[in-house]
Amino acid sequence: QVQLQESGPGLVKPSETLSLTCSVSGYSIRSGSYWGWIRQSPGKGLEWIGSIYHNGNTYYNPSVQSRVTILVDPSNNQFSLWLNSVTAADTAVYYCARHKTSMILGYFDFWGQGSLVAVSS
Amino acid sequence: DIQMTQAPSSLSVSVGDRVTMTCQASQAVFKNLNWYQKRPGMAPKLLVYETSNLEPGVPSRFSGSGSGTHFTLTISSLQPEDVATYYCQHYENLPLTFGGGTKVEIK
Repeated sequence: QVQLQESGPGLVKPSETLSLTCSVSGYSIRSGSYWGWIRQSPGKGLEWIGSIYHNGNTYYNPSVQSRVTILVDPSNNQFSLWLNSVTAADTAVYYCARHKTSMILGYFDFWGQGSLVAVSS
Repeated sequence: DIQMTQAPSSLSVSVGDRVTMTCQASQAVFKNLNWYQKRPGMAPKLLVYETSNLEPGVPSRFSGSGSGTHFTLTISSLQPEDVATYYCQHYENLPLTFGGGTKVEIK
């Protein structure tokens, strides 16, 4: 069974960098899927942030593209999210998820439990 | 970006009722449309992919239909465990976008 688990600080100061790691078990990141980050701000819907392939190929949502970097570490079966210059608007539950196929256009079939990140001084 | 509009935003129904919710895309997405269930405090769960394909393990009371810009998720007989918010998501192009959700509650 594929399992994903987010980890990282729950509190980030405004203007600083948010970083989260997603650890994958039960499936090798090298096996050919894209891996994504999605967030849900309080009281709002879901927003796709971006996704990465095991070779490092990335796609980002234009809404955050200037501030976001997603990296992959196949040797540790992990991928990470880095979001700089955060504001209160970045407060959200951040989910990592697996794309079902090796195509960026598709659906997410396995999700982590989510990591709440608050941006506050 | 393709905007996804879900209706209604919430509904309150009785156990055993038939529930229908819609998702409208701002431009044609053909059949490139998925549905997820999100219970409070839990990760989203894929229910339906490519408009009408049920993810393995999803109860058969769930069904999806539609094409182009108009899509529907139906629960044939609502069960207590179906209390959740339901989101549609298109994958016609990037960025992937989700609808605002339909919250289903028990009357």
